[in-house]
Amino acid sequence: SQQGEEDPQALSIQEGENATMNCSYKTSINNLQWYRQNSGRGLVHLILIRSNEREKHSGRLRVTLDTSKKSSSLLITASRAADTASYFCATGATRGGSYIPTFGRGTSLIVHP
Amino acid sequence: ETGVTQTPRHLVMGMTNKKSLKCEQHLGHNAMYWYKQSAKKPLELMFVYSLEERVENNSVPSRFSPECPNSSHLFLHLHTLQPEDSALYLCASSQDRGLSEQFFGPGTRLTVL
Repeated sequence: SQQGEEDPQALSIQEGENATMNCSYKTSINNLQWYRQNSGRGLVHLILIRSNEREKHSGRLRVTLDTSKKSSSLLITASRAADTASYFCATGATRGGSYIPTFGRGTSLIVHP
Repeated sequence: ETGVTQTPRHLVMGMTNKKSLKCEQHLGHNAMYWYKQSAKKPLELMFVYSLEERVENNSVPSRFSPECPNSSHLFLHLHTLQPEDSALYLCASSQDRGLSEQFFGPGTRLTVL
């Protein structure tokens, strides 16, 4: 069954503005990860937040996790045109000693220069 | 560069052809994954290999046949595909500790005529 679902599906902003994307999931998780994908390319890992963490920062990225609401948010501050990409959340559970991730449909972000 | 390479980058094949996709990782990871990414659909996990053993087969049709000869290489053998199998096929690897990030290759854009 589908785990992570990103919201909104598409987001269009001006350079310098902040971009916020949300992810909701359904079952218990070990961690939640955010990835970025430029058009037609592979995904690039941005940040991992564990189920016992509430907030994490990496440069202009800020991720929050609310396990009671089964939701996470990714905030990109002071956005740049180069941030234009699709952003995915992935929730994961361990089965048989291996990490089995489930990705959402993604949020398509366009940052206008 | 993520340390995960995929060949070929583009592939066009007829429904009666047999072809193979190749993935190689130079990161010392011991888990490898195949994903299918179709337009407007979530990223679909197809297969997971951990320490060269298949640990997940996500109800993938038998016309897709994975092979993992060692921890650095992963193949996806294709035969008698359908046009709806046209998609971006992504390979990823991770340290098999259950909680680690995945590193993705650039993908193979497959078109089935």
